[in-house]
Amino acid sequence: ELKVEQNPLFLSMQEGKNYTIYCNYSTTSDRLYWYRQDPGKSLESLFVLLSNGAVKQEGRLMASLDTKARLSTLHITAAVHDLSATYFCAVDRDDKIIFGKGTRLHILP
Amino acid sequence: DSGVTQTPKHLITATGQRVTLRCSPRSGDLSVYWYQQSLDQGLQFLIQYYNGEERAKGNILERFSAQQFPDLHSELNLSSLELGDSALYFCASSVQRGAGDTQYFGPGTRLTVL
Repeated sequence: ELKVEQNPLFLSMQEGKNYTIYCNYSTTSDRLYWYRQDPGKSLESLFVLLSNGAVKQEGRLMASLDTKARLSTLHITAAVHDLSATYFCAVDRDDKIIFGKGTRLHILP
Repeated sequence: DSGVTQTPKHLITATGQRVTLRCSPRSGDLSVYWYQQSLDQGLQFLIQYYNGEERAKGNILERFSAQQFPDLHSELNLSSLELGDSALYFCASSVQRGAGDTQYFGPGTRLTVL
């Protein structure tokens, strides 16, 4: 059974700092996704990672994938308040998508 | 605005009832996905349709069913509703079900079962 674990589940950090959210999954997968959800809002797709060693960057966010370790990371560089949100990773195997519990990120000014 | 529309935005109903949620994908998108988000279960993938055909099925209950019509809009039917079905239901669309496909999410339908 495919399981997806994110950590931490809650993160409070200062503006300007760097931090990493981790996403571990239990079996091989076809694709890995990162999403953002603002409070009371819908989801927004951030990244789709397809292969081992894949790295994608958008602004202050960078996602990477290590399929051998079954690990993806979402790195936040020089955090700003606007990045406060809940971030979900999800793993796709045989077209079935399993989500992590989400990381609630709170960035303090 | 993602270009994906969902109706209604809110729905309040009673246990045992049946409801239909509607999703219109972005213009040109062939795939529609349905998700459920609740405090108890978190985010769950329910089902995916591609160009009118069921493509993948996740944790969708037998009381729930969906379809995608020739105009590509989709409906999610929930029957014999229980209190635990109260949740946010999102649909998303993408161009196709290929590798690296980005999904665009609708604003969601908040279902409350009393």
